[in-house]
Amino acid sequence: EPEVTQTPSHQVTQMGQEVILRCVPISNHLYFYWYRQILGQKVEFLVSFYNNEISEKSEIFDDQFSVERPDGSNFTLKIRSTKLEDSAMYFCASRVDLYTEAFFGQGTRLTVV
Amino acid sequence: AQKITQTQPGMFVQEKEAVTLDCTYDTSDQSYGLFWYKQPSSGEMIFLIYQGSYDEQNATEGRYSLNFQKARKSANLVISASQLGDSAMYFCAMRGKAAGNKLTFGGGTRVLVKP
Repeated sequence: EPEVTQTPSHQVTQMGQEVILRCVPISNHLYFYWYRQILGQKVEFLVSFYNNEISEKSEIFDDQFSVERPDGSNFTLKIRSTKLEDSAMYFCASRVDLYTEAFFGQGTRLTVV
Repeated sequence: AQKITQTQPGMFVQEKEAVTLDCTYDTSDQSYGLFWYKQPSSGEMIFLIYQGSYDEQNATEGRYSLNFQKARKSANLVISASQLGDSAMYFCAMRGKAAGNKLTFGGGTRVLVKP
């Protein structure tokens, strides 16, 4: 069964460093998302991406964040200068259209020290 | 704006019994979708069940069923014949056009199944 794949599963980084979280969505999906979940809290929307551009972003998604689909398969989230409060689980999700469920990757646990 | 409320932070259920997880929502959309996801301790988000706002019948998927009461704006998840592997966090989520078709999640309910 096709699945959304995220790498790495765990990333520890020093405050101020740049990190890139990678996702390979399901191949025929057209809509891509990043969500994050701070430990013990609810899942929060970060950004949606369609047709090679951002379709919506939340107030969390400030200038420190960027997304890219550098080729036909990868979808990346970059955090330019990480802060302690960026520590969270980051989920990538994709869906084939707006009428079906989103499939989530297994998440990347980011720890900023 | 859309909002999802899960009022039960945690609950215990005896193995083989049924459990109902509450979810209420608020939206200005006429057309929307309601979802339940399971998050085990390993952290991944597993899709369980979907209900469209215009679906007349309650959704069912194996041991999962969704008790959709549109007038009350509730979408409770029922897990029948609970198993130890059902112990996890459960999130109710909603998608609507007014919110850009992104998912809005509730705060989650932690379920612990007792043997």
